[in-house]
Amino acid sequence: EDQVTQSPEALRLQEGESSSLNCSYTVSGLRGLFWYRQDPGKGPEFLFTLYSAGEEKEKERLKATLTKKESFLHITAPKPEDSATYLCAVKRADSWGKLQFGAGTQVVVTP
Amino acid sequence: ETGVTQTPRHLVMGMTNKKSLKCEQHLGHNAMYWYKQSAKKPLELMFVYSLEERVENNSVPSRFSPECPNSSHLFLHLHTLQPEDSALYLCASSQEGGGETQYFGPGTRLLVL
Repeated sequence: EDQVTQSPEALRLQEGESSSLNCSYTVSGLRGLFWYRQDPGKGPEFLFTLYSAGEEKEKERLKATLTKKESFLHITAPKPEDSATYLCAVKRADSWGKLQFGAGTQVVVTP
Repeated sequence: ETGVTQTPRHLVMGMTNKKSLKCEQHLGHNAMYWYKQSAKKPLELMFVYSLEERVENNSVPSRFSPECPNSSHLFLHLHTLQPEDSALYLCASSQEGGGETQYFGPGTRLLVL
């Protein structure tokens, strides 16, 4: 069975203190790995899609990387507005439209 | 309107009520989804529609009834719900066979009393 595990469950950072979030996955035939950001009471906001091992994508202070077993979301010099829950999801190559989500990492950045 | 919209944003209903959630996507996508998000649990896929046809029903109780009249609109009809059905219900859309990234609406916060 496909599994997506995110760690840590929660992360508290000082403004400017860089860190990384982990998403470990076991899936048969990965089609894509997706990162989302979710603010309380709102829908997930798309950040990145990664398709193959070695791929990297960046957006402002965020950088996502992918290996054959896990993905990292690096947050460089975070600001309070980066506080959110970050969700990881995987899609199998033979799965039409179905995403398997992890439980998320709740990030709090304090000034 | 842009992206994916959902109405209502908040809903309180009794266990004997019937209500409907509405979702509309303005992205020209060919697939739409309903997800349930409960506290401290991962998003759970409920239903998948492709070109208005249901392609997946993820073992959802029959008290939840989806409807997709066209590729831009998706409904979730609710009846005789239980308190444990209280959650954030999220709609998403994607272009399958294309980018395949799912874009989410803001959600409907449902409370069943």
